[in-house]
Amino acid sequence: DSGVTQTPKHLITATGQRVTLRCSPRSGDLSVYWYQQSLDQGLQFLIQYYNGEERAKGNILERFSAQQFPDLHSELNLSSLELGDSALYFCASSGDTAYEQYFGPGTRLTVT
Amino acid sequence: AQTVTQSQPEMSVQEAETVTLSCTYDTSENNYYLFWYKQPPSRQMILVIRQEAYKQQNATENRFSVNFQKAAKSFSLKISDSQLGDTAMYFCAFMKTGAQKLVFGQGTRLTINP
Repeated sequence: DSGVTQTPKHLITATGQRVTLRCSPRSGDLSVYWYQQSLDQGLQFLIQYYNGEERAKGNILERFSAQQFPDLHSELNLSSLELGDSALYFCASSGDTAYEQYFGPGTRLTVT
Repeated sequence: AQTVTQSQPEMSVQEAETVTLSCTYDTSENNYYLFWYKQPPSRQMILVIRQEAYKQQNATENRFSVNFQKAAKSFSLKISDSQLGDTAMYFCAFMKTGAQKLVFGQGTRLTINP
């Protein structure tokens, strides 16, 4: 158990819908990262937040957005969902030694 | 942009054998970190081992060790006395110092046979 929690574990929704994925980092970690794992794209970095502020952005679609709240939990919002958004979405967190990231169990999103 | 290549899509060995997974990367950076992550069938991503590029000594964690060749941009993972629980996807990952994001390879599916 990494100490990072993600909810829900599984999500099935239809095209065009909007969903919110939630992540709670390890106790004391200020940084939260979101990654997408799909069959065709592999593991890709989406976005990073540090203590409530966006710190780095990767290959994140404009239909996707994220935020980190004062209690440090983070949410990833996916809208206008397409079949190709079906993937495993991971959240990771890190402390001051930012080079070690610890991953949550992931949220499996299926868009039908 | 940095890229990470794992040239072995699948590997299979017998329990108790030693296995080496290959990883090469491309970067013009001098300061960076390298990692191996394990993803068992549960899908959880587990940090196995890390290596700082400025350290010449190869990292070791119990049965797991790396062979870091900075000039060749090579970072292989050796698993000694392999166990059934080592069956998983293994991902090599690169992080530029200060960049925060991990860049992953495509993974190697390792199967340990009884």
